[in-house]
Amino acid sequence: DQQVKQNSPSLSVQEGRISILNCDYTNSMFDYFLWYKKYPAEGPTFLISISSIKDKNEDGRFTVFLNKSAKHLSLHIVPSQPGDSAVYFCAASQETSGSRLTFGEGTQLTVNP
Amino acid sequence: GAGVSQTPSNKVTEKGKYVELRCDPISGHTALYWYRQSLGQGPEFLIYFQGTGAADDSGLPNDRFFAVRPEGSVSTLKIQRTERGDSAVYLCASRQGPQETQYFGPGTRLLVL
Repeated sequence: DQQVKQNSPSLSVQEGRISILNCDYTNSMFDYFLWYKKYPAEGPTFLISISSIKDKNEDGRFTVFLNKSAKHLSLHIVPSQPGDSAVYFCAASQETSGSRLTFGEGTQLTVNP
Repeated sequence: GAGVSQTPSNKVTEKGKYVELRCDPISGHTALYWYRQSLGQGPEFLIYFQGTGAADDSGLPNDRFFAVRPEGSVSTLKIQRTERGDSAVYLCASRQGPQETQYFGPGTRLLVL
């Protein structure tokens, strides 16, 4: 079963506007959530994370929101830049299980100049 | 500082052959993870090492797959009797300790003909 889902395979936004990427999960035992960015032929690069005890974490242009009751998190990028174009993966983990990451399928973000 | 490195970057082999994929984690990182990413999917967990021991190998798909980390640093993922379905990008990640972020290498692209 897919415990972490990203329902939008792609998203296109204009430079300067906000990008919102969404992620849903089913396992209520997950206690740590991360977003990774991936360029072609490279490994995933860590972007931002949030613990289940928080509902928001901000780092520069990137903000992650967590809604535990809805089992939903989102990544906001504002303002979006062409260099943000990449595949974004949502991931979740459970510290008591060694923090193996469970990933979503990814969302291809394209920021148009 | 140096990140996670993986060799080879690309590997082409024939069905039935044996392959070894190597991962050099970030110096001092005690935990090491292997993931596999198929086309259009997110990375999937294979195995996790804490020090020299495999703490969780529940993601290995079958007994053709095996991994070692004899000195608690470099790890080798070994695949016997390769099949075309083994073709994927094999990713390695490491982290320093509990509640720390996993950092990924660039991956090894394995193609089984």
